[in-house]
Amino acid sequence: GIQVEQSPPDLILQEGANSTLRCNFSDSVNNLQWFHQNPWGQLINLFYIPSGTKQNGRLSATTVATERYSLLYISSSQTTDSGVYFCAGPKSNTGKLIFGQGTTLQVKP
Amino acid sequence: NAGVTQTPKFQVLKTGQSMTLQCAQDMNHEYMSWYRQDPGMGLRLIHYSVGAGITDQGEVPNGYNVSRSTTEDFPLRLLSAAPSQTSVYFCASNPGGAGNTEAFFGQGTRLTVV
Repeated sequence: GIQVEQSPPDLILQEGANSTLRCNFSDSVNNLQWFHQNPWGQLINLFYIPSGTKQNGRLSATTVATERYSLLYISSSQTTDSGVYFCAGPKSNTGKLIFGQGTTLQVKP
Repeated sequence: NAGVTQTPKFQVLKTGQSMTLQCAQDMNHEYMSWYRQDPGMGLRLIHYSVGAGITDQGEVPNGYNVSRSTTEDFPLRLLSAAPSQTSVYFCASNPGGAGNTEAFFGQGTRLTVV
């Protein structure tokens, strides 16, 4: 079955709006990470969040490991937030990252 | 801090040519891996290594070879390039083990095979 599943697949926001991205992961995946792939293709580490909540400026993330999901919150979105957001986790303590299919975010000015 | 460095950033190959994509990390990470990203397909694992001298296949290994002679370097070799290998390639490293598994990625190599 699907090991890492993200929703929604696409999201269009007006600048200044807030959003929540979701990542569901199976029992074989742990130690979730969130990445932002910017329009130039770079993969930027946002959060390494096996459990709990972390915040970095306008972004925050929460992982509830016991319920196998993680949420990424973007507040007061800016056009520079546009891109694809991926969540991923290693499979069963290996180095093999399992990626979700990503959420494509477009923030309009 | 250099992190994970990939070279080249762009490459155009003719069908049948061979080449090596370079990847180096300076974080003393045990685990290194190669992914390819195709439009609408997310990232797929090609090969990975859990330490020097140890490599294994990922999800899409056909057409690629790897070796890991040092902790720092993990080159990816295309022996006979095919148009189906046109993609963006990412190298990643993480500490490995049961503790911190945070992965870091290189900036990617955009490969076109004509």
